[in-house]
Amino acid sequence: AAGVIQSPRHLIKEKRETATLKCYPIPRHDTVYWYQQGPGQDPQFLISFYEKMQSDKGSIPDRFSAQQFSDYHSELNMSSLELGDSALYFCASSLTGGNIQYFGAGTRLSVL
Amino acid sequence: AQSVTQPDIHITVSEGASLELRCNYSYGATPYLFWYVQSPGQGLQLLLKYFSGDTLVQGIKGFEAEFKRSQSSFNLRKPSVHWSDAAEYFCAVGTVMNYGGSQGNLIFGKGTKLSVKP
Repeated sequence: AAGVIQSPRHLIKEKRETATLKCYPIPRHDTVYWYQQGPGQDPQFLISFYEKMQSDKGSIPDRFSAQQFSDYHSELNMSSLELGDSALYFCASSLTGGNIQYFGAGTRLSVL
Repeated sequence: AQSVTQPDIHITVSEGASLELRCNYSYGATPYLFWYVQSPGQGLQLLLKYFSGDTLVQGIKGFEAEFKRSQSSFNLRKPSVHWSDAAEYFCAVGTVMNYGGSQGNLIFGKGTKLSVKP
């Protein structure tokens, strides 16, 4: 069965650079969620989209933005990267009302 | 505010022994409860979920969990642990979904790392 695809799997950036993370949800899933998991931490909700509109917002820094496109894939754009942004970034998708979020393998971002 | 507490940061059990991972939640309404497992460097895999109905739920890989409203708990159990079960386990509560345009999100506990002794 198709799963949530995230790219890239690993990303290394310098401070103050920008990064773009991509997420391709499971086919027919219309809701996408982004989570950030710092080293040794639990995943923290950043933002979600439903039918290409922002649905909920969590602890997402103002330096980050995201959108969901017409094909339902989503991109998380991160600017002015800081050392503290180094983390594993997960994308999850769900069906409307499905209440079950399926996670991708994550993108590991390292900011040097 | 919603929260999830996993009191045990690290648990070590012998292969073949039984396992119970504790999870307590704080949530104003009937919660949606989940257990996810994360192997090192990997994503989060759903083990099982509770939405309503039977309070004992079965999941994949021989895991089960019991919802106890009176104790605000959703403990994960397995009768006989295998070496491949070594991983980090996260309990999560799902916030209200499909309400006022919200699709909800998951609030995770801090996780319990499981080590398995041969």
